[in-house]
Amino acid sequence: EVQLVESGGGLVQPGGSLRLSCAASGFTLSSSWMSWVRQAPGKGLEWVANINQHGSENYYVDAVKGRFTISRDNAKNSLYLQMNSLGGEDTAVYYCARSTGNYAAAFQSWGQGTLVTVSS
Amino acid sequence: DIQMTQSPSSLSASVGDTVTITCRASQGISNYLAWFQQKPGKAPKSLIYDASSLQSGVPSKFSGSGSGTDFTLTISSLQPEDFATYYCQQFSSYPITFGQGTRLEIK
Repeated sequence: EVQLVESGGGLVQPGGSLRLSCAASGFTLSSSWMSWVRQAPGKGLEWVANINQHGSENYYVDAVKGRFTISRDNAKNSLYLQMNSLGGEDTAVYYCARSTGNYAAAFQSWGQGTLVTVSS
Repeated sequence: DIQMTQSPSSLSASVGDTVTITCRASQGISNYLAWFQQKPGKAPKSLIYDASSLQSGVPSKFSGSGSGTDFTLTISSLQPEDFATYYCQQFSSYPITFGQGTRLEIK
């Protein structure tokens, strides 16, 4: 059974940093593009970033470029999101998602999400 | 950026009904379109990709169609567990974008 389990969320002050992790099991992580998608309270879904199977290619939404970094460690079956210079607009539940086949962003499986709250 | 517009934003239906949700892209995306279901407090669930291909394990009561800019999600024989919010998403080009969601409520 495919499982994605996010961790690392919490309360952080504006300007602070946080590193999210996503532990993958039930499939070979190195076979899939992976993404982070977020959802602000009461709002819709927003794609944040994705990364290819070997970590050599990645893309970001403009709102996080230069502040967030997506990475992966296939040997540890883990995906990461390093978030710096956080602001209130980054408050959201962050989901990791696995893509179908060789698609970069056709999401197949989702984690349960981890809540990031940016507040003083 | 490609804007995805869903209609209606909300929809009331009865158990047993068949409903259709529409998603329109601001420019052509071929068939690079996915649909998701989300219930309150839960992660999204993937339903369809490539506009009409069912994800593994998704029942055939869900069907998708369309190409280019206009797409539909049809849900037949509504059951209580189908009442949720549905999102479309394009994966044709970056940034990846979602529709604003359609809330399907019980009448």
